[in-house]
Amino acid sequence: QSALTQPPSASGSPGQSVTISCTGTSSDVGGYNYVSWYQQYPGKAPKLMIYEVSKRPSGVPDRFSGSKSGNTASLTVSGLQAEDEAEYYCSSYAGSNTYVFGTGTKVTVL
Amino acid sequence: EVQLVESGGDLVQPGGSLRLSCAASGFTFSSYWMTWVRQAPGKGLEWVAYINSDGSKTYYVDSVKGRFTISRDNTRESLYLQVNSLRADDTAVYYCATVDWWTPHHWGQGTLVTVSS
Repeated sequence: QSALTQPPSASGSPGQSVTISCTGTSSDVGGYNYVSWYQQYPGKAPKLMIYEVSKRPSGVPDRFSGSKSGNTASLTVSGLQAEDEAEYYCSSYAGSNTYVFGTGTKVTVL
Repeated sequence: EVQLVESGGDLVQPGGSLRLSCAASGFTFSSYWMTWVRQAPGKGLEWVAYINSDGSKTYYVDSVKGRFTISRDNTRESLYLQVNSLRADDTAVYYCATVDWWTPHHWGQGTLVTVSS
């Protein structure tokens, strides 16, 4: 039950795109299509942005997209906006009814 | 609209116990698995426990097995987390969330548990 690995930080200018990676193993990210991404503002609860690798819940802008290749998942935020500045966490089902989160990435809009 | 409201967090001494609650509304509570996720101050998210829809099956992260117990009362539309033998590293905001295919979807605002002497 080790945390998934994310870069500590990522940044981009308004209108640009930023991609965050999330590296796990064949026992979690690579083994199941139950990878999700959450956005969290300071002092607030996480919000689900992507689930099942690439699906968006109702109300999430299509600027947010997810993908997976092997043991690494990615979240891309296109057309960056100031409101996208937040902490982002990936997560994955890890087998045997357990779940694991990533280490978190702070996205800064320059 | 899905609403989850946690309560019960407090300052407690090491070795102490608390019962966290999560009041649910706006959805058919008895149809959903539920989960607790925690976040230590300034740290990342950590999955803590799952409970299935009728409360017959529970699952835990290794670090809390034998100390924490997740339960639910579908008649009261409430989720609980009994936390015993608390340690300093249990200090965190505890969130409840609805679950769909193991994935936490809708989250509450959290309740803070502080373990300190």
